[in-house]
Amino acid sequence: QQQVKQSPQSLIVQKGGISIINCAYENTAFDYFPWYQQFPGKGPALLIAIRPDVSEKKEGRFTISFNKSAKQFSLHIMDSQPGDSATYFCAASIGGNKLVFGAGTILRVKS
Amino acid sequence: DGGITQSPKYLFRKEGQNVTLSCEQNLNHDAMYWYRQDPGQGLRLIYYSQIVNDFQKGDIAEGYSVSREKKESFPLTVTSAQKNPTAFYLCASSITRDTDTQYFGPGTRLTVL
Repeated sequence: QQQVKQSPQSLIVQKGGISIINCAYENTAFDYFPWYQQFPGKGPALLIAIRPDVSEKKEGRFTISFNKSAKQFSLHIMDSQPGDSATYFCAASIGGNKLVFGAGTILRVKS
Repeated sequence: DGGITQSPKYLFRKEGQNVTLSCEQNLNHDAMYWYRQDPGQGLRLIYYSQIVNDFQKGDIAEGYSVSREKKESFPLTVTSAQKNPTAFYLCASSITRDTDTQYFGPGTRLTVL
């Protein structure tokens, strides 16, 4: 049973545009929501993470928006670059243990 | 360099054979994890270990076994009982069982012929 639903499956964005990836969760006990970035043939790397006590977190061009009442969170990539082309995973956990991952979004930024 | 090492990067085995995937970390992390990645399904947890000599089943443990005899090592054995073993396997670690950030290794792609 998938506890974190991620959309879209794939996304094509023009260079300089905004990439938006959405995730929805079911378990209200989740208290940690990270986003991971994965390049082909590599392991995922933590990009940015948020806790439910804040509605937004920004790190450089990457922003997480969090809507606790809707049980949704999203990743926004501003000024998208070809180097951002990768697979992005959202995840959620309770107390930092046993991450539950979304299915992933393949992002392609066209130059 | 500190980090997580997985070897080999590519592994081929005949159907019916057991195979062991290596995972070593020199980050002094207490917790270690094994995930399986299939196209379109994200990462699914196979086993995890929070301390030496202790480990728990994840969501898809059937057909897999692990050991945690040393803090830095967490090998995964894919047994012949695993019905569909061809996948990309990822090892991860975190400072403690209660620490949020998991650091991933480069992965091993296992192909069963």
